[in-house]
Amino acid sequence: DSGVTQTPKHLITATGQRVTLRCSPRSGDLSVYWYQQSLDQGLQFLIQYYNGEERAKGNILERFSAQQFPDLHSELNLSSLELGDSALYFCASSAYWDPLTGELFFGEGSRLTVL
Amino acid sequence: SQQGEEDPQALSIQEGENATMNCSYKTSINNLQWYRQNSGRGLVHLILIRSNEREKHSGRLRVTLDTSKKSSSLLITASRAADTASYFCATDAGGGADGLTFGKGTHLIIQP
Repeated sequence: DSGVTQTPKHLITATGQRVTLRCSPRSGDLSVYWYQQSLDQGLQFLIQYYNGEERAKGNILERFSAQQFPDLHSELNLSSLELGDSALYFCASSAYWDPLTGELFFGEGSRLTVL
Repeated sequence: SQQGEEDPQALSIQEGENATMNCSYKTSINNLQWYRQNSGRGLVHLILIRSNEREKHSGRLRVTLDTSKKSSSLLITASRAADTASYFCATDAGGGADGLTFGKGTHLIIQP
């Protein structure tokens, strides 16, 4: 158990809809990362927050947004969903501002299926 | 774009044999990390090697880093069925400003 909790574990929805994925980081970790994993694209970095502030942005679509709340949990909002958004979405946390400094702890992921 | 690329894409060996996976990257790095992912599960950190280190051990794992060749290797000795998983290397792609980027992984199958 990594200590990172993601909900929901599975989500099935239709194209055009909007979903919110939630992540609770490991106790004490200030950094939260979001990744998207699909068969064709592999593991893609989306965004990182540190102590409530956006720290780094990767290949995140404009239809996607995220935030980190004062209690350090984070949410990833996906809107106007398309079939290609079907993927496994991972949240990870670490104690550090810089992801290079130490290990990331991953949650078990939220599997999104868009029909 | 991905900074690290693992090779081979897939590897199947007999239990008890050693498994070697390689990772090549494009730009200079501060450190390189290896992660394991069991099918459909979250990634688990295995080992971190810094750019000023050449070799690091952790149990049955041995990681080497050659910064002149921009490559790293992960050796798993005396493999077990439980080692069946995908293995990823992760590096920074530009000083960490783009987060930690992962390759597409090596899928390792240990045959009993």
